[in-house]
Amino acid sequence: AQTIHQWPVAEIKAVGSPLSLGCTIKGKSSPNLYWYWQATGGTLQQLFYSITVGQVESVVQLNLSASRPKDDQFILSTEKLLLSHSGFYLCAWSLRGGPSGNTLYFGEGSRLIVV
Amino acid sequence: GDSVTQTEGPVTVSESESLIINCTYSATSIAYPNLFWYVRYPGEGLQLLLKVITAGQKGSSRGFEATYNKETTSFHLQKASVQESDSAVYYCALYNQGKLIFGQGTKLSIKP
Repeated sequence: AQTIHQWPVAEIKAVGSPLSLGCTIKGKSSPNLYWYWQATGGTLQQLFYSITVGQVESVVQLNLSASRPKDDQFILSTEKLLLSHSGFYLCAWSLRGGPSGNTLYFGEGSRLIVV
Repeated sequence: GDSVTQTEGPVTVSESESLIINCTYSATSIAYPNLFWYVRYPGEGLQLLLKVITAGQKGSSRGFEATYNKETTSFHLQKASVQESDSAVYYCALYNQGKLIFGQGTKLSIKP
């Protein structure tokens, strides 16, 4: 069975400090990977997606970056946090192509509070 | 661009009563997008509840149903008799060109 693990579960960070959020998918090779973000009271929106190792596409500019160093790992980071980065970050995977390629499976999320 | 609008929450329903959460969509670059309902139970991650990829079809799961209505561009979520365990936030979404577009979410509370 596929599992998706996100870390950390929650963080409180200072404005201007760096951030790294991670996501690991087990039990599925070469998945498509995604980062989503939800500001408090806002809508879930896609930030990045990746279809293969080393390749990441940005969907929304939020002064964040993402990387896929391994097939099963997706990292979200920034060198300088802003207050507006607060919210809930979700990692997701989907199959590559086919009739099930449109279904995303999400992790449990990382809650970030920037102070 | 594409968008999804759903019932403004929070919604409170008494146990064993019926439920409907409205969802309408707008898709500018695709005639019939795939449609989804996701659910987030307290303390848990976002889970797929049901999906329908063909206009006119109905999806169902855990007692919930949703019918893809292309005429009214709607995908309302219904349940005949809710239980306390249905308390959660429900999200309607459409899929187009590698992206899931979500509605704002509807928080559902069940009164015992």
